[in-house]
Amino acid sequence: SQQGEEDPQALSIQEGENATMNCSYKTSINNLQWYRQNSGRGLVHLILIRSNEREKHSGRLRVTLDTSKKSSSLLITASRAADTASYFCATGGTSGSRLTFGEGTQLTVNP
Amino acid sequence: GAGVSQSPRYKVAKRGQDVALRCDPISGHVSLFWYQQALGQGPEFLTYFQNEAQLDKSGLPSDRFFAERPEGSVSTLKIQRTQQEDSAVYLCASSFLRLATETQYFGPGTRLLVL
Repeated sequence: SQQGEEDPQALSIQEGENATMNCSYKTSINNLQWYRQNSGRGLVHLILIRSNEREKHSGRLRVTLDTSKKSSSLLITASRAADTASYFCATGGTSGSRLTFGEGTQLTVNP
Repeated sequence: GAGVSQSPRYKVAKRGQDVALRCDPISGHVSLFWYQQALGQGPEFLTYFQNEAQLDKSGLPSDRFFAERPEGSVSTLKIQRTQQEDSAVYLCASSFLRLATETQYFGPGTRLLVL
């Protein structure tokens, strides 16, 4: 079963705009990760935020984590057509046994 | 190799046929994971190895699914008597850490179609 739930399921924006995707989860976590998947390819790790962190940046990516609301957001600034992909959040639970992925947000950036 | 590799990339099987999917993790990576990804869905955990030990196989959907990693490097996921519902992309991932919840590096996947 999926723990993470991404919102929205699909997002279409123009190049240069910012894209925000949200993830909610249900159980206690050690960390939350975001991955990108281009069509027909494997997943690529983007960023990991630990449960004691509130915000993290990597290039044009900004991730926030609110453990009280059990939610995270991924912001991609100044989007490019090459950012078109599916984005998944994955939670690392405190039991430490596995990552649990959400169902993803399909982002389309129109040139 | 630079990344995780999987073979074959595509596999078409007739219902009832056995298939074997191979994963070559990044050299030196201790942990290896298999996931099943249905169309339009996120990856679903199948099983996890730490070196040659299979520490968690609770995600395998039935006893027709079997995974091994006998020498702690290459892994094979075998599906016996394939059914149409087994059609999916099978992803392999590896990690140099022993923890199952840290950053994972994914292969391109094997797309299995059962007719």
